[in-house]
Amino acid sequence: DQQVKQNSPSLSVQEGRISILNCDYTNSMFDYFLWYKKYPAEGPTFLISISSIKDKNEDGRFTVFLNKSAKHLSLHIVPSQPGDSAVYFCAALDFNKFYFGSGTKLNVKP
Amino acid sequence: EAGVTQSPTHLIKTRGQQATLRCSPISGHTSVYWYQQALGLGLQFLLWYDEGEERNRGNFPPRFSGRQFPNYSSELNVNALELEDSALYLCASSRNWGSGGNTIYFGEGSWLTVV
Repeated sequence: DQQVKQNSPSLSVQEGRISILNCDYTNSMFDYFLWYKKYPAEGPTFLISISSIKDKNEDGRFTVFLNKSAKHLSLHIVPSQPGDSAVYFCAALDFNKFYFGSGTKLNVKP
Repeated sequence: EAGVTQSPTHLIKTRGQQATLRCSPISGHTSVYWYQQALGLGLQFLLWYDEGEERNRGNFPPRFSGRQFPNYSSELNVNALELEDSALYLCASSRNWGSGGNTIYFGEGSWLTVV
């Protein structure tokens, strides 16, 4: 039962353009959402989060949008840089249990 | 502040053996989570420990077990190893939920190879 889904396994973007990574969830009890970035052979690194009482959170080049009615969140990276190439996982929190999506591999081309 | 530390970095075992992986959480964190990432797959939740107790476990057989020590460090044990247990095992920690534990921080992982 996949409660958090990332339907795009991969995404390719030109350097300097916007990267948009999407995530859908099914559990309306989720009240906190997070994005992690993972390089090969390393542990995931926390990027940005958003509470369910907000619809947008921004941190530098990274912005997360939450649409609760659609049960959808997205991560925008502007401008994209080659160093952003990694696997991005979205996660949702339901009382200390974290549910992860399957990840989207972002490739930013120079 | 030191992050989550895991050991060993790499471990090679033969089928049927037991593997033990260790994790030290960030100072002040009482919750420890274990995840498995098999090649090409996402993060699969294994176990969650908080204050020394197992709070939840994922859909894994009982040969995956662990414990949390009084200093909040944790170990994951995998008995009767099978080839498909080969994966990256990630440990993460967070503060207790009541203390704002809404973000988990991962270690670098332990690579387990079963031959």
